[in-house]
Amino acid sequence: AQSVTQPDIHITVSEGASLELRCNYSYGATPYLFWYVQSPGQGLQLLLKYFSGDTLVQGIKGFEAEFKRSQSSFNLRKPSVHWSDAAEYFCAVGLTDSWGKLQFGAGTQVVVTP
Amino acid sequence: EPEVTQTPSHQVTQMGQEVILRCVPISNHLYFYWYRQILGQKVEFLVSFYNNEISEKSEIFDDQFSVERPDGSNFTLKIRSTKLEDSAMYFCASSVGPNYEQYFGPGTRLTVT
Repeated sequence: AQSVTQPDIHITVSEGASLELRCNYSYGATPYLFWYVQSPGQGLQLLLKYFSGDTLVQGIKGFEAEFKRSQSSFNLRKPSVHWSDAAEYFCAVGLTDSWGKLQFGAGTQVVVTP
Repeated sequence: EPEVTQTPSHQVTQMGQEVILRCVPISNHLYFYWYRQILGQKVEFLVSFYNNEISEKSEIFDDQFSVERPDGSNFTLKIRSTKLEDSAMYFCASSVGPNYEQYFGPGTRLTVT
């Protein structure tokens, strides 16, 4: 069955430390891949996207993600987190044979400590 | 920067009542979507809409739900007879094409009592 998995429900990281959030997908073909961030009480903001080409993509707020076809993964990274990065992060996939339907992972809650 | 807007931000309704959630997508976008997020759960796709027709819908999107683009700017989601389990955050999104990035609105929190 098609699925998007974010294995970590909750991550705590110190301010200034690096952050990596994992995302794995299970689809027959390479989907379109996205990371969104949701701050408390806010909507979903697009951080970055992968459609094709360079497997390392840069996004807003200093985030980057790497697509690894062999591992069916699209992990999100940030070298040095800021307190404002505390939020929930969602990985999402879109299929080329769908009319834009995105399937979301369960999300990873990131807490940043001083 | 253009953005998707949604009204109201919070809607409280009684079970069995009809509600209409409104969205104004980004002006040059052609594809429109509704998603919902029940508290503590995943964001779930409801429906996609293009050229005044539903392109795709999920099994959640049953006969109680309908969507409409009543004019050149608004995109609405109607729930005909609300149930307690319809309580959720409803997000509208839009994109230039079906496989392009989607931009989300801030959401409407629907509470059914």
